[in-house]
Amino acid sequence: AQTVTQSQPEMSVQEAETVTLSCTYDTSESDYYLFWYKQPPSRQMILVIRQEAYKQQNATENRFSVNFQKAAKSFSLKISDSQLGDAAMYFCAYRAWETSGSRLTFGEGTQLTVNP
Amino acid sequence: EAGVAQSPRYKIIEKRQSVAFWCNPISGHATLYWYQQILGQGPKLLIQFQNNGVVDDSQLPKDRFSAERLKGVDSTLKIQPAKLEDSAVYLCASSAWDRTRGEAFFGQGTRLTVV
Repeated sequence: AQTVTQSQPEMSVQEAETVTLSCTYDTSESDYYLFWYKQPPSRQMILVIRQEAYKQQNATENRFSVNFQKAAKSFSLKISDSQLGDAAMYFCAYRAWETSGSRLTFGEGTQLTVNP
Repeated sequence: EAGVAQSPRYKIIEKRQSVAFWCNPISGHATLYWYQQILGQGPKLLIQFQNNGVVDDSQLPKDRFSAERLKGVDSTLKIQPAKLEDSAVYLCASSAWDRTRGEAFFGQGTRLTVV
């Protein structure tokens, strides 16, 4: 079974600084996706960034970038120039690409606080 | 493009009562997920549909939870009878069978309180 582990229950960062959230996963699959979702207090789950396992290049979306290490099964999220609106719960998620449909598995989350 | 719709947004019931949640996924999305999220934890998959067939319900407490997806579109999740530990946010998500994207889109969730 696939598992996703986020070892940092809480992180904090000063506004305008950079923070990195960690994620590791376990799988025997070779074809899969990794995601970072943001969940503010409203509980609406919002996609931040997506990485396809077959792509060697790390994904980037504006201030958000990932460090994808396939051999190490590591997938960290870097937030640059942190803003107050970045404060939220962040979830790492994994999805294998299977012909019969694919489970989307989440980690336990990292609560990010942004200090002014 | 309309997002995933869920109702109700909030529900308070007494233990041993029954409750039902409704989800309308994004048009054309074949995959539909129901997750249970207890405060402070990550979402836990309850059931996954591919069109109107069940792909994974291994973590669904089948003695009290049931779900169906009518005609491969809307879905309902029911709890009968509810227990105090069922208090959580129930998230519905949908995903296209699209090799180029892969992400799921989420509704706003239903917050259930069992008293």
